[in-house]
Amino acid sequence: EAQVTQNPRYLITVTGKKLTVTCSQNMNHEYMSWYRQDPGLGLRQIYYSMNVEVTDKGDVPEGYKVSRKEKRNFPLILESPSPNQTSLYFCASSLNRGTGHEQFFGPGTRLTVL
Amino acid sequence: GQNIDQPTEMTATEGAIVQINCTYQTSGFNGLFWYQQHAGEAPTFLSYNVLDGLEEKGRFSSFLSRSKGYSYLLLKELQMKDSASYLCAVRDDWGYGGATNKLIFGTGTLLAVQP
Repeated sequence: EAQVTQNPRYLITVTGKKLTVTCSQNMNHEYMSWYRQDPGLGLRQIYYSMNVEVTDKGDVPEGYKVSRKEKRNFPLILESPSPNQTSLYFCASSLNRGTGHEQFFGPGTRLTVL
Repeated sequence: GQNIDQPTEMTATEGAIVQINCTYQTSGFNGLFWYQQHAGEAPTFLSYNVLDGLEEKGRFSSFLSRSKGYSYLLLKELQMKDSASYLCAVRDDWGYGGATNKLIFGTGTLLAVQP
């Protein structure tokens, strides 16, 4: 089954404790992206990756890191989480070339930073 | 600046037709997407418009007017399961050679379908 998976689905942590949210897709998509979703603000892009070893900042990159060492994986790293990073996070992937390729979203990770 | 506007909430009756509007102002335009998102779940793709006009897909249709910066999603024969948020998103990667696949999302319209 074609899908995007994320782990963990739920996480409660404390300020400053490094964490990684994993994202994996099995559709051989070049493009991957991380979003956060907050009430009243909609989905905002954190980082994206055009292909292996190619990443760039989205609209709200502060406090986050990413890497793209393999095509299928795109982990999101919070080196020192803070309460303002409490949010619902989605990973997404799509084909890169041409137009009209929809993004497929993972199930989401609900993060609470105390 | 980048701005996408949608109504925050709408209510409609089962079996009826509802139209959800979206207006946008973005620095570039390379297509408009509609996604459906049930509470606590991932957004799922509904439709895509890049040229002016109407795209029909079963009970769902989407319209685009690029000159007016306007789109709408039309849902017919509403069912209770259509209660969800509907997200309008503009692909705004013009100027990057179509390279970033960047989507700018509106805040979504929460549709409640009543019996």
